[in-house]
Amino acid sequence: DAGITQSPRHKVTETGTPVTLRCHQTENHRYMYWYRQDPGHGLRLIHYSYGVKDTDKGEVSDGYSVSRSKTEDFLLTLESATSSQTSVYFCAISDLGHYGYTFGSGTRLTVV
Amino acid sequence: GENVEQHPSTLSVQEGDSAVIKCTYSDSASNYFPWYKQELGKGPQLIIDIRSNVGEKKDQRIAVTLNKTAKHFSLHITETQPEDSAVYFCAARNNAGNMLTFGGGTRLMVKP
Repeated sequence: DAGITQSPRHKVTETGTPVTLRCHQTENHRYMYWYRQDPGHGLRLIHYSYGVKDTDKGEVSDGYSVSRSKTEDFLLTLESATSSQTSVYFCAISDLGHYGYTFGSGTRLTVV
Repeated sequence: GENVEQHPSTLSVQEGDSAVIKCTYSDSASNYFPWYKQELGKGPQLIIDIRSNVGEKKDQRIAVTLNKTAKHFSLHITETQPEDSAVYFCAARNNAGNMLTFGGGTRLMVKP
């Protein structure tokens, strides 16, 4: 998706290890979001950011932390990965006055 | 917080038939309702949206209707084609911030 990239696209990690996923945007949008997608649950908000160093929790934030030191980057960290965090993670961006989101292509994370 | 329910979870239609996906929301203050299409291995993409001051919106073969009193909105796809096969998500904007709450998704299959 133009203007927003996620890395890595795929990752396999072991239980108990820390993992960081990166979302990078070139649109200079104010808002950034991390969602996870699981069968039967749709897209659930993990954390979001409304500006540099301004972040807040979503509905499924336990076990996750985020950081946004620059407008263009939003990092999602799994402190100690568990099997329940196996999922597809999507980053999204939006801007003031524009309610719709633009999504990245996703990161498929498998915790073994 | 907002809660969005989406039905059906799967929908199979013959090419050329119409498809209807329905969503209900709980927060009467929600004011923006987008629909996203997600193709296999990709992030969701915005296909149509509607704001709370409008009852219906059309864009070629797709339309969205909103009933604020009943707190439900629907996606209508006419003359379905195989390339319409995908997962569709509805969402509602949380009036407390620039956040979307998503429904659980509908897998649409269009049979040639």
